[in-house]
Amino acid sequence: AQKITQTQPGMFVQEKEAVTLDCTYDTSDPSYGLFWYKQPSSGEMIFLIYQGSYDQQNATEGRYSLNFQKARKSANLVISASQLGDSAMYFCAMREGQGGSGGSNYKLTFGKGTLLTVNP
Amino acid sequence: ETGVTQSPTHLIKTRGQQVTLRCSSQSGHNTVSWYQQALGQGPQFIFQYYREEENGRGNFPPRFSGLQFPNYSSELNVNALELDDSALYLCASRLWTGKIRGGYTFGSGTRLTVV
Repeated sequence: AQKITQTQPGMFVQEKEAVTLDCTYDTSDPSYGLFWYKQPSSGEMIFLIYQGSYDQQNATEGRYSLNFQKARKSANLVISASQLGDSAMYFCAMREGQGGSGGSNYKLTFGKGTLLTVNP
Repeated sequence: ETGVTQSPTHLIKTRGQQVTLRCSSQSGHNTVSWYQQALGQGPQFIFQYYREEENGRGNFPPRFSGLQFPNYSSELNVNALELDDSALYLCASRLWTGKIRGGYTFGSGTRLTVV
């Protein structure tokens, strides 16, 4: 089974509107972290937002917020007031476990990504 | 912060050859991971180094190997290149402080083409 599922290969949004990118995950570990990364055409993975499995509140970072529904195992990214520069691939990723000595559970498992296009 | 830099940005190799990719971690970061990203896919974890020792590995054959140096720069070596090794190779670093929170800083990657 896929650990991270992103069901939207591509999404379109008008500039200044909000958009939600879907992510569901699968883990039996009670301790995990969820990440969203943006990858423009340059290739660099840019960290956007993080949600820990024990966090009581949904994470927010500027125009980015994470709609975390633990029972449904979903961690959707919401981008408010889209900008042309938001056009990129977006990846949801998960780290499982507490992270032992030296961060041994450092591994990130990524989904296949969603290509977001912001139209003027 | 100096960020994560990778070199070279692009290279082309012939099947059967060997290649070395390099990564300079963000200043102060003691943990580095390498990922392979095939076209149209998400990155796949290759391995991780912490304080110069490998302490995590994904489903990659032994011909993928690495090194981390005292200054926390690192190398990814791939022997006996195959056509399927063509991909973007990403290096990611972070400072391991015993806390889980926070993102990993990625470089812009090396795009390897095997012909």
